[in-house]
Amino acid sequence: EAGVAQSPRYKIIEKRQSVAFWCNPISGHATLYWYQQILGQGPKLLIQFQNNGVVDDSQLPKDRFSAERLKGVDSTLKIQPAKLEDSAVYLCASSFTGGGNTEAFFGQGTRLTVV
Amino acid sequence: AQKVTQAQTEISVVEKEDVTLDCVYETRDTTYYLFWYKQPPSGELVFLIRRNSFDEQNEISGRYSWNFQKSTSSFNFTITASQVVDSAVYFCALTSNSGYALNFGKGTSLLVTP
Repeated sequence: EAGVAQSPRYKIIEKRQSVAFWCNPISGHATLYWYQQILGQGPKLLIQFQNNGVVDDSQLPKDRFSAERLKGVDSTLKIQPAKLEDSAVYLCASSFTGGGNTEAFFGQGTRLTVV
Repeated sequence: AQKVTQAQTEISVVEKEDVTLDCVYETRDTTYYLFWYKQPPSGELVFLIRRNSFDEQNEISGRYSWNFQKSTSSFNFTITASQVVDSAVYFCALTSNSGYALNFGKGTSLLVTP
């Protein structure tokens, strides 16, 4: 079974530039998550989708971050404009359903460096 | 609000030693789920175990074991006879059916040296 695919693996941009990350979840998984992991910290949820609807985006900085999940499958996360503090690993995860009774599977992440 | 505390930032052990990683959680939910994930240098979070709040039985899987105690709100993870391949960052996480997404602790970095 293929895992969660993310691209690119690494990205370096200058502050105030834009960047987009892509995620392809495990086939059949209805729930998709984007997490931000700053160096030395645990992952923090940015947004959670159930199919193509948003379940939780309370911690998403909506003035600069946006995300969509077209047709309830692939998802993109965009940052515009980027700030230095956005340097982090962006992890995409998917699970069969939402809630705690199924585990989430994570991709390898995109490491973003903002200079 | 839910919170997970992993007080140990870094642990260093010599191969074959036993090591316990601590996890303390806070939640007002009566139904909740606890997880452990491993993050090797490659960066991908690897699922290790899930426990629901109604099941306090300890679990053993090979060299790994988990001790869940509701009385102390702890879900500790022990690696027996550690190996170099166990070197990674380990995260404890918490969710509930009302919260859905995982709330992670800050992680414990484990280094196992030969």
